Amino acid sequence: SQKIEQNSEALNIQEGKTATLTCNYTNYSPAYLQWYRQDPGRGPVFLLLIRENEKEKRKERLKVTFDTTLKQSLFHITASQPADSATYLCALEAGYSTLTFGKGTMLLVSP
Amino acid sequence: DGGITQSPKYLFRKEGQNVTLSCEQNLNHDAMYWYRQDPGQGLRLIYYSQIVNDFQKGDIAEGYSVSREKKESFPLTVTSAQKNPTAFYLCASSPRVLGGANQPQHFGDGTRLSIL
Repeated sequence: SQKIEQNSEALNIQEGKTATLTCNYTNYSPAYLQWYRQDPGRGPVFLLLIRENEKEKRKERLKVTFDTTLKQSLFHITASQPADSATYLCALEAGYSTLTFGKGTMLLVSP
Repeated sequence: DGGITQSPKYLFRKEGQNVTLSCEQNLNHDAMYWYRQDPGQGLRLIYYSQIVNDFQKGDIAEGYSVSREKKESFPLTVTSAQKNPTAFYLCASSPRVLGGANQPQHFGDGTRLSIL
């Protein structure tokens, strides 16, 4: 069956460091992969979309990589700030027009 | 400002009752989605609609029903057949998808449903 794995343990880092979150998947061949941010009690907010033929995508302090051979995406936040603390979700296309979401990884950035 | 409005923010249901969660968007998006989120779980798709008067079951549709009479609105009814309805419900919309999930989804801020 199709499966998406994100590290269930929270990632704790110091302000100013680079945070790296991992999304691994099995039994998928997605053409697109998306990353979202979710704050407690709020809906997810779209951050980045990367296509299978794109190795890397950047937006300000965010960078996403997509390795279809390893079946893995890495999400990086450089120069992290306490305001970056949130849960980050990866999502893959699950069929025509729909997404399957991972359970998310909580990021805690301490001053 | 364009966006998605879900109401109410908190909802309580008595045993055996049906309740309806509202979702309205003014983004002019064709596609709309309902998800359920439980603690420590990912979002699970309940129903989705690509166009007015048409909708499809997602992974966990049992005990739920929807309608899509207007482009802006996609209400979700949690019926008494749903035995474990306590959860955080999220509505989302996106531009019409052509050939794969290549459009970002825009989410509302959810409705938290609890059983009395």
